[in-house]
Amino acid sequence: SQTIHQWPATLVQPVGSPLSLECTVEGTSNPNLYWYRQAAGRGLQLLFYSVGIGQISSEVPQNLSASRPQDRQFILSSKKLLLSDSGFYLCAWSHSGRTPQYFGAGTRLSVL
Amino acid sequence: DQQVKQNSPSLSVQEGRISILNCDYTNSMFDYFLWYKKYPAEGPTFLISISSIKDKNEDGRFTVFLNKSAKHLSLHIVPSQPGDSAVYFCAADGGSQGNLIFGKGTKLSVKP
Repeated sequence: SQTIHQWPATLVQPVGSPLSLECTVEGTSNPNLYWYRQAAGRGLQLLFYSVGIGQISSEVPQNLSASRPQDRQFILSSKKLLLSDSGFYLCAWSHSGRTPQYFGAGTRLSVL
Repeated sequence: DQQVKQNSPSLSVQEGRISILNCDYTNSMFDYFLWYKKYPAEGPTFLISISSIKDKNEDGRFTVFLNKSAKHLSLHIVPSQPGDSAVYFCAADGGSQGNLIFGKGTKLSVKP
C-alpha cells in the first residue's frame, strides 16, 4: 500500500532563516505531488504541484520554492523565512488528475 | 473570489441523527468533487468523491449528492457518531493536473 511521509511535524524558525521541508511517497511510482498551506482559520491553499521529476508548477507568487529531485520526493524550501510564512504545510500525492489526493500528517511552521 | 464555498462554519448534531454538510461552487467546468475529514494537527483524510456524470455516490455511512444545475453538493452522514466530530472540507478538481480547490471547511460536532 502507498504511504506518504512528511517531516518534521513541528518547526520553529526565526525570521530570515532558511527552510527545508521534505516529503516522500512509498508504494507507487510517478505520482503527482502537491504542497498546500493552511493558514489559521482558512482552507487549504495549493502552493506547488509536480507531475514529474524536475517539473514544478506554482499556483501563487510567494517566498517559497519547491523541487522534485527524485520521483517520489518533494521538497519545499525558502532562503529567508517571513513572519507570513507561518502555517500548517501539507504534502499530498495522487495517481493523476481527477483522482483523490492523499495527504501527509503536516508540518506546523512557526516563524518568530 | 472563492470558487468553492462552505457557508456554514460549524454544525452540531446529536449522535445517531443525520449530519448534512453543504458546499457550493461557482465554476461549471469543475467535474470532480471530493470530501475530506480533518482532525486538528493532522492531514486531511479522503472520505468520498463524485464525478459530474453521477448525482449520487455512497460509501457506508457517507453519501455525497451532486446537483449540477444548482452547483451544489452535500455530504450526508448517517448515523452520525461522536468520532465523526472533525472539520470537513469540500474540494473541486480545478484542472487536468488534479489541482484541488478547497472550501474553508465546516466543523462538525456530534454530541453523545
